[in-house]
Amino acid sequence: AQKITQTQPGMFVQEKEAVTLDCTYDTSDPSYGLFWYKQPSSGEMIFLIYQGSYDQQNATEGRYSLNFQKARKSANLVISASQLGDSAMYFCAMREASYGNNRLAFGKGNQVVVIP
Amino acid sequence: GAVVSQHPSWVICKSGTSVKIECRSLDFQATTMFWYRQFPKQSLMLMATSNEGSKATYEQGVEKDKFLINHASLTLSTLTVTSAHPEDSSFYICSARSQGDYEQYFGPGTRLTVT
Repeated sequence: AQKITQTQPGMFVQEKEAVTLDCTYDTSDPSYGLFWYKQPSSGEMIFLIYQGSYDQQNATEGRYSLNFQKARKSANLVISASQLGDSAMYFCAMREASYGNNRLAFGKGNQVVVIP
Repeated sequence: GAVVSQHPSWVICKSGTSVKIECRSLDFQATTMFWYRQFPKQSLMLMATSNEGSKATYEQGVEKDKFLINHASLTLSTLTVTSAHPEDSSFYICSARSQGDYEQYFGPGTRLTVT
């Protein structure tokens, strides 16, 4: 079964607008963590934000915030005030305590293109 | 922050030859390293996990005799693609983490093209 689901098609976003990228996950492990990574065309994986399953508050890192809805098993990424440099693939990933060695399961990704 | 390097960044090799990719943690001790493969427009697929000094654990469907992984030190892991074929052409990314740290730090990736 797929652990991480990202189903949105490619998105075009107007510069300076906010964009929300959807991510739902599937786990029965009470201890887990959720990550968002950005992958520009260069290929490097850039860590954006992390949310632990026991964290009470939604994570925020600058223009990135994570809308964590535990009961719905969703961890949507919100990028505020989009910039041209935000054009990239975005991957949601999950770490489960029971999934040995803290391995990550990745979703299929969301393509975002920011237009001026 | 923690830095992971990969070498080479890109490589072209002929079918039937072997190619080695290095992954180094530059400023921390990587007790665990991970190797991923990524095809164009697709997600990262975990190939194997290696703990320093131990044999790598391969994911289902990954040929251990074709993708040789060595993690001989706390700062270096290597992936050797043996008898490469054009279908092995892909983007290979490594990541590393230290003991007690849940976060993985990713290398910049290696683009392999087999002709």
